[in-house]
Amino acid sequence: DSGVTQTPKHLITATGQRVTLRCSPRSGDLSVYWYQQSLDQGLQFLIHYYNGEERAKGNILERFSAQQFPDLHSELNLSSLELGDSALYFCASSVDEITGGRETQYFGPGTRLLVL
Amino acid sequence: SQKIEQNSEALNIQEGKTATLTCNYTNYSPAYLQWYRQDPGRGPVFLLLIRENEKEKRKERLKVTFDTTLKQSLFHITASQPADSATYLCALWTSGGYQKVTFGTGTKLQVIP
Repeated sequence: DSGVTQTPKHLITATGQRVTLRCSPRSGDLSVYWYQQSLDQGLQFLIHYYNGEERAKGNILERFSAQQFPDLHSELNLSSLELGDSALYFCASSVDEITGGRETQYFGPGTRLLVL
Repeated sequence: SQKIEQNSEALNIQEGKTATLTCNYTNYSPAYLQWYRQDPGRGPVFLLLIRENEKEKRKERLKVTFDTTLKQSLFHITASQPADSATYLCALWTSGGYQKVTFGTGTKLQVIP
């Protein structure tokens, strides 16, 4: 158990809908990273938040958005869902802010999203 | 464009042998390179980190090398065990500012008893 929690574990929805994925980082970690993992694209970095502020963006679509709240939990919002958005969504947390590469990232168990 | 390749999608080796996994990159100047293990349906687990100015790191049966001239990292598991069977991912972190990470597609290792 990494100490990172994600809810829900599974989510089935229809195209055009909007969903919210939730992540609680390890106690004491201020950084949260979101990733998408699909069979054809592998593990893709989406976005990084540190202590409530956005720090870096990766391959995140405009239909997707995220935020980190004062209690440090984070939510990833996916809207106007398409079939191709079906994937495993992971969040990871670490202590540090910009030196992500120096820090151990702790991944959550993921949310499996299926868009029908 | 930046590209990361891991040597093969799948690698089968006999128990007790050394497994060697490769991570090659182009159009990239990573500051850090990490290796992760991922089991089916689970999140990646951090294994080792190596910095751009380091040549080699070891941790128990694991060893990683980093050659910035060849733009390659090698990940070795010595005395491999069936429990080492998993997918292994390399991850490259950019330098400067707020760092971004790019993961390789992974190599699925199967250790045969």
